[in-house]
Amino acid sequence: DSGVTQTPKHLITATGQRVTLRCSPRSGDLSVYWYQQSLDQGLQFLIQYYNGEERAKGNILERFSAQQFPDLHSELNLSSLELGDSALYFCASSPLVGEQFFGPGTRLTVL
Amino acid sequence: AQSVAQPEDQVNVAEGNPLTVKCTYSVSGNPYLFWYVQYPNRGLQFLLKYITGDNLVKGSYGFEAEFNKSQTSFHLKKPSALVSDSALYFCAVRDGLGDTGRRALTFGSGTRLQVQP
Repeated sequence: DSGVTQTPKHLITATGQRVTLRCSPRSGDLSVYWYQQSLDQGLQFLIQYYNGEERAKGNILERFSAQQFPDLHSELNLSSLELGDSALYFCASSPLVGEQFFGPGTRLTVL
Repeated sequence: AQSVAQPEDQVNVAEGNPLTVKCTYSVSGNPYLFWYVQYPNRGLQFLLKYITGDNLVKGSYGFEAEFNKSQTSFHLKKPSALVSDSALYFCAVRDGLGDTGRRALTFGSGTRLQVQP
């Protein structure tokens, strides 16, 4: 158990809908990262927050957004969902220096 | 831009034999290198990292990795494979430059390790 929690574990929705994925980092970690894992794109970095502020952006679509709250938990919002958004979404957290610890992921299926 | 290559989609090895999973990288400045393992329906588990220092890094579950700066490689190794080592292995890199707050990892495509009994 990495100490990073993600909810929900599975999410099934329809095209055009909007969903919210939630992540709680390890105690004391200020950085939260979101990654997408799909068969065709592999593991891709989406976005990083550090102590409530956006710190780095990767291949995140404009339909996707994220935020980190004062209690350091983070949410990833995916809107106008398309079939191609079906993937595993991972959250990771890290201290200022050190490796990232990954949560168990949320499996999103868009029908 | 940083990148990671894992040239083998799959590595097959017999239990008890040594295993190597290959990784090469490209990054500006000094690399920070990582290996993660993913078991079915699970998240990624950290195995080991190279930041600086000794080129041979020891990690969890008997795994080690050798950093080779001239060949820009960071191969994962284990002297004696176990059936339970069968999983998907990812090499990752980030650069050590610039804003210390930016720590996004770039992952390789993954290598599936199959250890046969």
